[in-house]
Amino acid sequence: GQNIDQPTEMTATEGAIVQINCTYQTSGFNGLFWYQQHAGEAPTFLSYNVLDGLEEKGRFSSFLSRSKGYSYLLLKELQMKDSASYLCAVRENGGANNLFFGTGTRLTVIP
Amino acid sequence: DSGVTQTPKHLITATGQRVTLRCSPRSGDLSVYWYQQSLDQGLQFLIQYYNGEERAKGNILERFSAQQFPDLHSELNLSSLELGDSALYFCASSGHSGANVLTFGAGSRLTVL
Repeated sequence: GQNIDQPTEMTATEGAIVQINCTYQTSGFNGLFWYQQHAGEAPTFLSYNVLDGLEEKGRFSSFLSRSKGYSYLLLKELQMKDSASYLCAVRENGGANNLFFGTGTRLTVIP
Repeated sequence: DSGVTQTPKHLITATGQRVTLRCSPRSGDLSVYWYQQSLDQGLQFLIQYYNGEERAKGNILERFSAQQFPDLHSELNLSSLELGDSALYFCASSGHSGANVLTFGAGSRLTVL
């Protein structure tokens, strides 16, 4: 089974940096994913971590610590269009490739 | 356009009815996944198919069933609908190499009245 925890809501200012945390418990970890979802739209892939450390992709970075069951998504130089929900998801061992999602963090960027 | 096609985009029906949601995966993807997202809820995994075979099952109700056809498109059948089945239903597809990232379709919004 799996238990994934993220803050429900966050607010940050345009141009600033925000860190969205995710903690998870899973019986067999095989990767952590971050997705962005605007209201009523499809989730879109942002990043993937399977080994410990930081993955950087432009304004977005994601960090993983497997021993702590912890990840964060870092968004730099925030823009108004970054207002969305950010979903943390884990994939378990076992051959199937399905993801288990947290309830998401709704980020509001204010001017 | 993600390459994953879902129809219909919107569907309104009554309690007790049955509906079928359709999904065509991205070209070359063999796996199809179905997820349910109720208002202000997270994405709940329903079921996964790989090349026509059921691969994994999540919290899918007995009133719901799915299949993947030889041309790899998939259908999710929802029967004896209840008010609580109103939700966005997403289909995703993936390949099986590298990170095997799930790519989502735009979703089918089901409203049960």
